[in-house]
Amino acid sequence: DTEVTQTPKHLVMGMTNKKSLKCEQHMGHRAMYWYKQKAKKPPELMFVYSYEKLSINESVPSRFSPECPNSSLLNLHLHALQPEDSALYLCASSQDRLAGASSYNEQFFGPGTRLTVL
Amino acid sequence: SQQGEEDPQALSIQEGENATMNCSYKTSINNLQWYRQNSGRGLVHLILIRSNEREKHSGRLRVTLDTSKKSSSLLITASRAADTASYFCATDRNTGNQFYFGTGTSLTVIP
Repeated sequence: DTEVTQTPKHLVMGMTNKKSLKCEQHMGHRAMYWYKQKAKKPPELMFVYSYEKLSINESVPSRFSPECPNSSLLNLHLHALQPEDSALYLCASSQDRLAGASSYNEQFFGPGTRLTVL
Repeated sequence: SQQGEEDPQALSIQEGENATMNCSYKTSINNLQWYRQNSGRGLVHLILIRSNEREKHSGRLRVTLDTSKKSSSLLITASRAADTASYFCATDRNTGNQFYFGTGTSLTVIP
């Protein structure tokens, strides 16, 4: 199974709502990622989890809260978002660098969640 | 910014022609990868080239890497309409799991 799944596919929320994005993979990857992508722009790295521990936070506002409950799941909790947070949110997974400096760390991406904040 | 730059930003060619896109990056890297993204979808990995490699082929794809110039190119030969997509390079550094994407090239292949 080389698939990364993300739910929901689309999400519309108000600025006072609390919602969560979910990501799942069963490839045994121990590195998982959240990216934000605005239209016609490249994906921007938000968070990296390595062996279920947050290893990188790219100065993301606290209204985005990641969680990695186990090695297969990655969540992104959303609270008090702003309209400018509307974007495509992509989850990805790969082998972890800790597996060896020469490990092949191709990322596998999910289809994304299209988020609209009203 | 950690991002690389890609050029051209947009490229439109006829089916059967070759497409070349370039990527320049800023820091020392471990690997450079190319990804494709169809409109509004997730990214698909195309090819990886390691920092000690200079050229790599995969089907109709040819990737070159020049670490002295911090640049890479992706050549798609005999393009097809189905190759229409955005193409991104991504670099990872020698430590950590961070990947940084270039600005992307939007390729349109006209049937």
